[in-house]
Amino acid sequence: ILNVEQSPQSLHVQEGDSTNFTCSFPSSNFYALHWYRWETAKSPEALFVMTLNGDEKKKGRISATLNTKEGYSYLYIKGSQPEDSATYLCSRGGTSYGKLTFGQGTILTVHP
Amino acid sequence: GEEVAQTPKHLVRGEGQKAKLYCAPIKGHSYVFWYQQVLKNEFKFLISFQNENVFDETGMPKERFSAKCLPNSPCSLEIQATKLEDSAVYFCASSPDVGETQYFGPGTRLLVL
Repeated sequence: ILNVEQSPQSLHVQEGDSTNFTCSFPSSNFYALHWYRWETAKSPEALFVMTLNGDEKKKGRISATLNTKEGYSYLYIKGSQPEDSATYLCSRGGTSYGKLTFGQGTILTVHP
Repeated sequence: GEEVAQTPKHLVRGEGQKAKLYCAPIKGHSYVFWYQQVLKNEFKFLISFQNENVFDETGMPKERFSAKCLPNSPCSLEIQATKLEDSAVYFCASSPDVGETQYFGPGTRLLVL
């Protein structure tokens, strides 16, 4: 893996469904994995920063896991609500300088 | 402040004109990052600052882009002689330290006609 890749590109679910997305990233020179929630025309909202292999973080109905050895992270949303509709961005921070490399995002639409 | 502020929200320029964008980081944050998002593509890193010093400029198109973070002033990103392909949303983010959460502003949407 040379770049940060997210799948699927878009996802439509019904209210109440649980869902998950994947972020794959280069595992060499890894420092941190950031997840953001972004609604167009607003500021991307920071969800999680994870650094250690095996890390699991939770914020309400949203949780994330990290595998730095194989280079992937999963984001889970339990009991999706229409207000969860947004683009979920994954970004990787390398060991140098702190700049983030972003994936193209997963667009989630939750239908009432 | 408690949020990253960016001005203006929208900017329209004719090709060849100058564009200047501003970013006020969260008070107490030492690091400022600029990213460019073209259409629906991913965010592309441009430049970062540690206080008023350039920290990493590996993403900057050097010919027409410049940036500054001066003490007691908003940071700025300036594009001389804009081109059509500069049309994008420019996001600024700040963080307390490198590697920590980067807090994003709402972006400045630049349209070059």
